[in-house]
Amino acid sequence: GESVGLHLPTLSVQEGDNSIINCAYSNSASDYFIWYKQESGKGPQFIIDIRSNMDKRQGQRVTVLLNKTVKHLSLQIAATQPGDSAVYFCAENSGWGKLQFGAGTQVVVTP
Amino acid sequence: GAVVSQHPSRVICKSGTSVKIECRSLDFQATTMFWYRQFPKQSLMLMATSNEGSKATYEQGVEKDKFLINHASLTLSTLTVTSAHPEDSSFYICSARDPTDGEAFFGQGTRLTVV
Repeated sequence: GESVGLHLPTLSVQEGDNSIINCAYSNSASDYFIWYKQESGKGPQFIIDIRSNMDKRQGQRVTVLLNKTVKHLSLQIAATQPGDSAVYFCAENSGWGKLQFGAGTQVVVTP
Repeated sequence: GAVVSQHPSRVICKSGTSVKIECRSLDFQATTMFWYRQFPKQSLMLMATSNEGSKATYEQGVEKDKFLINHASLTLSTLTVTSAHPEDSSFYICSARDPTDGEAFFGQGTRLTVV
């Protein structure tokens, strides 16, 4: 069936460097994508979203890129900090808030 | 502050007993709430869609008689795990959709341990 998935299960990045987390989706009809951050023992926290009529959106230290041609989504975190260590999920909004999550990427920030 | 409150955050229960988890939307009225389950080191899997005033819609493979959902008001949905067994031990997370813009907000999750 259609699914949202991630390329890398774990990403180790040095403090201060930029992080890039990738996500591939298969449902070409998807029109809304969200990135979430989940810290251990907590629920997902909204980071940034993007609609399919955009190819880039920026937030505070984060940028989401959407390439509809190859059905690829990425999250870039600038100047990664220890507090950015968490699991990051991309999610596809299949309608009315119902989300389908990718597998997740564990980001580990090293000093 | 949190816009979706989930309670309890942790619960330990004996095998065979039932556990109720509450999900409340604090800043908006949510006609639709969602319940997810997350096993360790895995992603969130949607269990069911909770609809205020009507029956919940369950995803394939989720036992509706085991996971009872009640959405009696516009701000509260409950998930009851009936006759819990150790394999039901998991992290249960709810989300509520803000009808004004469609954004989904998540609760902090409930860690259920069945012993």
